[in-house]
Amino acid sequence: DIQLTQSPSSLSASVEDRVTITCRASQTISTYLNWYQQKPGKAPKLLIYTASTLQSGVPSRFSASGSGTDFTLTISSLQPEDFATYYCQQSFITPHTFGQGTKLEIK
Amino acid sequence: QVQLQESGPGLVKPSETLSLTCTVSGGSIRSHYWSWIRQPPGKGLEWIGYMHHSGSANYNPSLESRVTISLDTSRNQFSLKLSSVTAAEAAVYYCARYVTSTTLAYFDTWGQGTLVTVSS
Repeated sequence: DIQLTQSPSSLSASVEDRVTITCRASQTISTYLNWYQQKPGKAPKLLIYTASTLQSGVPSRFSASGSGTDFTLTISSLQPEDFATYYCQQSFITPHTFGQGTKLEIK
Repeated sequence: QVQLQESGPGLVKPSETLSLTCTVSGGSIRSHYWSWIRQPPGKGLEWIGYMHHSGSANYNPSLESRVTISLDTSRNQFSLKLSSVTAAEAAVYYCARYVTSTTLAYFDTWGQGTLVTVSS
């Protein structure tokens, strides 16, 4: 299985901060990397697909990049509604796997 | 807009079979793949498997011997059966639509999730 390792596992930040989360794959996955946001008690929500494409309706303060094994998700100016857990997920090969999550908390 | 809703027993006994159904509205299950994903309380996400209406299915090898996903096109529903469950498989089970082409693949629409407890 392809392992996805996110860093950091948790992060404290303030409103309007710029934050970056990284996701590293155990082998190359081209750009078959997606990012999801999950709030407590809710289902994950697709933010970014194919490494860098913003899902319809997602604010432009979210951006992402990467290919191969190293990927990043950036939130340019944190808003109160952005405090959540973020997961990366690979669709390069099955079994599809997710990173362990990055919990973004308010400082 | 496609919406998904899980349903099924919230309590299953150890060694028995977990059965869940996902009802799809606003779109047909004759398109795309239809998937199940689970999340133990306080933990991360695990892909269980998915199926296409053509009959093509793919399961997580860690669960493959115990999992069946099936589609009911007449009811626009798909279901999950997981046999011989253990307490460690207590989780929120999500159904999700899997969109794929030659250049992309992602889970774009999710149900709200249903909590399944495994206990005697």
